[in-house]
Amino acid sequence: DTAVSQTPKYLVTQMGNDKSIKCEQNLGHDTMYWYKQDSKKFLKIMFSYNNKELIINETVPNRFSPKSPDKAHLNLHINSLELGDSAVYFCASSLVGVGSPLHFGNGTRLTVT
Amino acid sequence: AQTVTQSQPEMSVQEAETVTLSCTYDTSENNYYLFWYKQPPSRQMILVIRQEAYKQQNATENRFSVNFQKAAKSFSLKISDSQLGDTAMYFCASVSSNTGKLIFGQGTTLQVKP
Repeated sequence: DTAVSQTPKYLVTQMGNDKSIKCEQNLGHDTMYWYKQDSKKFLKIMFSYNNKELIINETVPNRFSPKSPDKAHLNLHINSLELGDSAVYFCASSLVGVGSPLHFGNGTRLTVT
Repeated sequence: AQTVTQSQPEMSVQEAETVTLSCTYDTSENNYYLFWYKQPPSRQMILVIRQEAYKQQNATENRFSVNFQKAAKSFSLKISDSQLGDTAMYFCASVSSNTGKLIFGQGTTLQVKP
Protein backbone atom coordinates (compact mmCIF):
# COMPACT_ATOMS: atom_id res chain seq x y z
CA ASP A 1 0.00 0.00 0.00
CA THR A 2 2.94 2.30 -0.76
CA ALA A 3 1.70 5.83 -1.44
CA VAL A 4 4.44 7.07 -3.79
CA SER A 5 6.63 4.39 -5.27
CA GLN A 6 9.71 4.82 -7.39
CA THR A 7 11.64 2.24 -9.34
CA PRO A 8 14.43 1.39 -9.35
CA LYS A 9 15.75 2.14 -5.89
CA TYR A 10 19.35 2.08 -7.12
CA LEU A 11 20.65 2.66 -10.61
CA VAL A 12 24.28 2.32 -11.63
CA THR A 13 25.17 3.09 -15.22
CA GLN A 14 27.92 4.37 -17.43
CA MET A 15 28.36 7.79 -18.93
CA GLY A 16 26.53 8.29 -22.17
CA ASN A 17 23.77 5.81 -21.43
CA ASP A 18 20.05 6.60 -21.37
CA LYS A 19 18.00 5.60 -18.35
CA SER A 20 14.51 6.03 -16.92
CA ILE A 21 13.10 6.26 -13.42
CA LYS A 22 9.45 5.43 -12.89
CA CYS A 23 7.10 6.92 -10.33
CA GLU A 24 3.56 6.04 -9.39
CA GLN A 25 1.26 7.40 -6.70
CA ASN A 26 -1.96 5.88 -5.41
CA LEU A 27 -3.06 8.86 -3.32
CA GLY A 28 -5.34 10.33 -5.96
CA HIS A 29 -3.21 13.48 -6.12
CA ASP A 30 -3.28 15.72 -9.16
CA THR A 31 0.21 17.17 -8.87
CA MET A 32 3.50 15.31 -9.16
CA TYR A 33 7.11 16.45 -8.90
CA TRP A 34 10.69 15.45 -9.46
CA TYR A 35 13.36 16.68 -7.05
CA LYS A 36 17.11 16.16 -7.17
CA GLN A 37 19.19 15.75 -4.00
CA ASP A 38 22.89 16.28 -4.62
CA SER A 39 25.86 14.93 -2.71
CA LYS A 40 25.58 17.76 -0.17
CA LYS A 41 21.96 16.74 0.48
CA PHE A 42 20.62 19.89 -1.14
CA LEU A 43 17.13 19.34 -2.56
CA LYS A 44 16.06 21.18 -5.67
CA ILE A 45 12.88 20.99 -7.69
CA MET A 46 13.25 19.91 -11.29
CA PHE A 47 9.74 19.52 -12.66
CA SER A 48 6.12 19.66 -11.61
CA TYR A 49 3.08 18.29 -13.42
CA ASN A 50 -0.54 19.00 -12.68
CA ASN A 51 -2.95 16.47 -14.14
CA LYS A 52 -0.45 15.49 -16.86
CA GLU A 53 0.39 19.09 -17.73
CA LEU A 54 3.87 20.52 -17.13
CA ILE A 55 3.62 23.54 -14.82
CA ILE A 56 7.14 23.92 -13.41
CA ASN A 57 10.28 23.37 -15.42
CA GLU A 58 13.39 24.57 -13.63
CA THR A 59 16.68 25.21 -15.39
CA VAL A 60 17.33 21.57 -16.11
CA PRO A 61 19.38 20.30 -19.09
CA ASN A 62 17.11 19.13 -21.85
CA ARG A 63 18.69 15.68 -21.50
CA PHE A 64 16.11 15.31 -18.72
CA SER A 65 12.62 14.69 -20.01
CA PRO A 66 9.65 13.99 -17.76
CA LYS A 67 6.68 12.07 -19.09
CA SER A 68 3.27 11.86 -17.47
CA PRO A 69 1.06 9.25 -19.16
CA ASP A 70 -1.68 9.87 -16.59
CA LYS A 71 -2.02 11.81 -13.37
CA ALA A 72 -0.88 8.85 -11.26
CA HIS A 73 2.43 8.43 -13.07
CA LEU A 74 5.41 10.70 -13.69
CA ASN A 75 8.48 9.14 -15.21
CA LEU A 76 11.89 10.73 -15.69
CA HIS A 77 14.00 9.87 -18.69
CA ILE A 78 17.63 10.96 -18.83
CA ASN A 79 19.64 10.90 -22.04
CA SER A 80 23.42 10.86 -22.42
CA LEU A 81 24.11 10.53 -18.71
CA GLU A 82 26.98 12.52 -17.25
CA LEU A 83 29.00 12.11 -14.07
CA GLY A 84 27.31 15.19 -12.62
CA ASP A 85 23.92 13.53 -12.89
CA SER A 86 24.84 11.26 -9.98
CA ALA A 87 22.37 12.10 -7.22
CA VAL A 88 19.27 10.88 -5.45
CA TYR A 89 16.11 11.64 -7.41
CA PHE A 90 12.86 11.96 -5.51
CA CYS A 91 9.38 11.77 -6.91
CA ALA A 92 6.60 13.44 -4.91
CA SER A 93 2.91 14.16 -5.19
CA SER A 94 0.41 16.49 -3.60
CA LEU A 95 -3.14 17.68 -3.80
CA VAL A 96 -3.75 20.79 -5.85
CA GLY A 97 -3.17 23.87 -3.71
CA VAL A 98 -0.04 25.70 -2.67
CA GLY A 99 -0.17 24.65 0.96
CA SER A 100 -0.70 20.97 0.30
CA PRO A 101 2.19 18.94 1.74
CA LEU A 102 4.27 16.87 -0.62
CA HIS A 103 4.38 13.11 -0.17
CA PHE A 104 7.72 11.75 -1.28
CA GLY A 105 8.82 8.44 -2.69
CA ASN A 106 11.85 6.68 -1.26
CA GLY A 107 14.19 8.09 -3.85
CA THR A 108 16.34 6.58 -6.58
CA ARG A 109 20.08 6.74 -6.10
CA LEU A 110 21.62 7.20 -9.53
CA THR A 111 25.35 6.60 -9.88
CA VAL A 112 27.02 7.41 -13.17
CA THR A 113 30.46 5.91 -13.66
CA ALA B 1 13.57 35.58 -4.74
CA GLN B 2 12.35 32.92 -2.38
CA THR B 3 15.11 31.55 -0.14
CA VAL B 4 15.36 29.35 2.93
CA THR B 5 18.41 29.30 5.18
CA GLN B 6 19.36 26.83 7.88
CA SER B 7 22.48 28.05 9.61
CA GLN B 8 23.15 24.96 11.73
CA PRO B 9 24.69 22.17 9.64
CA GLU B 10 24.84 19.78 12.61
CA MET B 11 23.35 19.57 16.07
CA SER B 12 23.20 17.01 18.83
CA VAL B 13 20.96 16.50 21.84
CA GLN B 14 20.72 14.01 24.67
CA GLU B 15 17.80 11.66 24.68
CA ALA B 16 14.76 13.14 26.50
CA GLU B 17 16.11 16.68 26.20
CA THR B 18 14.72 19.51 24.06
CA VAL B 19 16.39 20.90 20.96
CA THR B 20 15.57 23.80 18.64
CA LEU B 21 16.52 23.90 14.97
CA SER B 22 16.71 27.31 13.32
CA CYS B 23 15.36 28.41 9.97
CA THR B 24 15.00 31.78 8.31
CA TYR B 25 13.35 32.48 5.01
CA ASP B 26 12.85 35.32 2.62
CA THR B 27 9.86 35.97 0.43
CA SER B 28 8.04 38.99 -0.90
CA GLU B 29 4.74 37.12 -0.92
CA ASN B 30 1.98 37.43 1.65
CA ASN B 31 0.47 34.03 1.00
CA TYR B 32 2.92 31.26 1.73
CA TYR B 33 3.37 28.10 3.74
CA LEU B 34 6.26 26.72 5.74
CA PHE B 35 7.20 23.13 6.42
CA TRP B 36 9.67 21.00 8.28
CA TYR B 37 10.59 17.66 6.73
CA LYS B 38 12.67 14.91 8.29
CA GLN B 39 15.01 12.61 6.37
CA PRO B 40 16.25 9.68 8.47
CA PRO B 41 19.09 7.45 7.26
CA SER B 42 16.50 5.42 5.36
CA ARG B 43 16.36 8.38 2.95
CA GLN B 44 12.57 8.74 3.16
CA MET B 45 11.33 12.35 3.28
CA ILE B 46 8.73 12.66 6.03
CA LEU B 47 6.55 15.67 6.76
CA VAL B 48 7.00 16.80 10.36
CA ILE B 49 4.91 19.95 10.60
CA ARG B 50 3.22 22.61 8.47
CA GLN B 51 2.52 26.29 9.16
CA GLU B 52 0.26 28.65 7.27
CA ALA B 53 1.74 32.15 7.15
CA TYR B 54 -1.58 33.86 7.74
CA LYS B 55 -2.09 31.99 11.00
CA GLN B 56 -0.39 33.54 14.00
CA GLN B 57 -0.81 30.47 16.14
CA ASN B 58 2.25 28.23 16.14
CA ALA B 59 1.67 24.75 14.74
CA THR B 60 2.23 21.74 16.98
CA GLU B 61 2.34 18.01 16.31
CA ASN B 62 2.86 15.95 19.44
CA ARG B 63 6.50 16.53 20.50
CA PHE B 64 7.16 18.86 17.59
CA SER B 65 6.29 22.55 17.63
CA VAL B 66 7.35 25.63 15.76
CA ASN B 67 8.15 29.18 16.74
CA PHE B 68 6.88 31.22 13.80
CA GLN B 69 8.02 34.83 13.86
CA LYS B 70 6.56 36.35 10.72
CA ALA B 71 8.11 39.80 11.01
CA ALA B 72 11.54 38.30 11.54
CA LYS B 73 10.90 35.65 8.87
CA SER B 74 11.97 32.98 11.29
CA PHE B 75 10.54 29.46 11.57
CA SER B 76 12.31 27.32 14.15
CA LEU B 77 11.44 23.74 15.07
CA LYS B 78 11.41 22.60 18.67
CA ILE B 79 11.64 18.90 19.44
CA SER B 80 10.70 18.01 23.01
CA ASP B 81 11.60 14.78 24.80
CA SER B 82 14.01 13.84 22.00
CA GLN B 83 14.04 10.20 21.04
CA LEU B 84 16.70 8.13 19.29
CA GLY B 85 14.36 7.81 16.33
CA ASP B 86 14.48 11.57 15.87
CA THR B 87 18.05 11.21 14.57
CA ALA B 88 17.78 12.50 11.00
CA MET B 89 18.42 15.38 8.70
CA TYR B 90 15.79 18.09 9.06
CA PHE B 91 14.83 20.37 6.21
CA CYS B 92 12.95 23.63 6.46
CA ALA B 93 10.98 24.54 3.34
CA SER B 94 8.67 27.22 2.04
CA VAL B 95 6.24 27.56 -0.82
CA SER B 96 4.53 30.70 -2.01
CA SER B 97 1.32 30.97 -3.96
CA ASN B 98 3.14 32.98 -6.60
CA THR B 99 5.69 30.35 -7.60
CA GLY B 100 4.13 27.12 -6.34
CA LYS B 101 7.66 25.80 -5.81
CA LEU B 102 8.63 24.14 -2.55
CA ILE B 103 12.09 25.53 -1.77
CA PHE B 104 14.27 23.74 0.77
CA GLY B 105 16.96 24.92 3.13
CA GLN B 106 20.36 23.25 3.31
CA GLY B 107 19.30 20.91 6.09
CA THR B 108 20.41 20.34 9.69
CA THR B 109 21.70 16.95 10.76
CA LEU B 110 20.41 16.10 14.22
CA GLN B 111 22.01 13.38 16.32
CA VAL B 112 20.12 12.20 19.39
CA LYS B 113 22.52 10.62 21.85
CA PRO B 114 21.54 7.95 24.36
